[in-house]
Amino acid sequence: GNSVTQMEGPVTLSEEAFLTINCTYTATGYPSLFWYVQYPGEGLQLLLKATKADDKGSNKGFEATYRKETTSFHLEKGSVQVSDSAVYFCALSRNYGGSQGNLIFGKGTKLSVKP
Amino acid sequence: DSGVTQTPKHLITATGQRVTLRCSPRSGDLSVYWYQQSLDQGLQFLIQYYNGEERAKGNILERFSAQQFPDLHSELNLSSLELGDSALYFCASSSGQGDNSPLHFGNGTRLTVT
Repeated sequence: GNSVTQMEGPVTLSEEAFLTINCTYTATGYPSLFWYVQYPGEGLQLLLKATKADDKGSNKGFEATYRKETTSFHLEKGSVQVSDSAVYFCALSRNYGGSQGNLIFGKGTKLSVKP
Repeated sequence: DSGVTQTPKHLITATGQRVTLRCSPRSGDLSVYWYQQSLDQGLQFLIQYYNGEERAKGNILERFSAQQFPDLHSELNLSSLELGDSALYFCASSSGQGDNSPLHFGNGTRLTVT
């Protein structure tokens, strides 16, 4: 069945360091892929998405490219800030066409950025 | 602020009891989704309603049920509670029923079963 695997955390970085959080998926068909972020005490927020192979999603300095050949959707940011400290979730949609309702989430990766 | 309101924020109850979690979607959103977040299972999709009708079902136990009312708010009912039901329960809403419209999550209800 469909599944998402992301690197286990926690990840601790210094401010301005480069960030990569790995995410790979298993899916039939052509799912859409998402990164969500959860700040302490809050619900999840959509960070970025990609709906087809080779698409690059980007937002707030974060980027991820939908790689069908490696079934991956790694999250990257060139220079992290303390305010980026949060839990990041990779997810795929069961439905075609970018539907976000019925999502399969990875277990989440906690990022802590130190000043 | 996502515009999705969940009440209560915290709930502590005993095994065997029944609780109701409430969700008010963002204004104008017709779809409501329920998710369970636990340490061992991660985030699990439970169920989706669209304009009052059930649209999709995920890993929802038979002891759990949900409904969406004419004013579009939704309730998740959990009965015969077990220790393993302790988790964070999130509600999310979207304007569509399964299209590309984004999900907006509430801040969750933390349920503790003792």
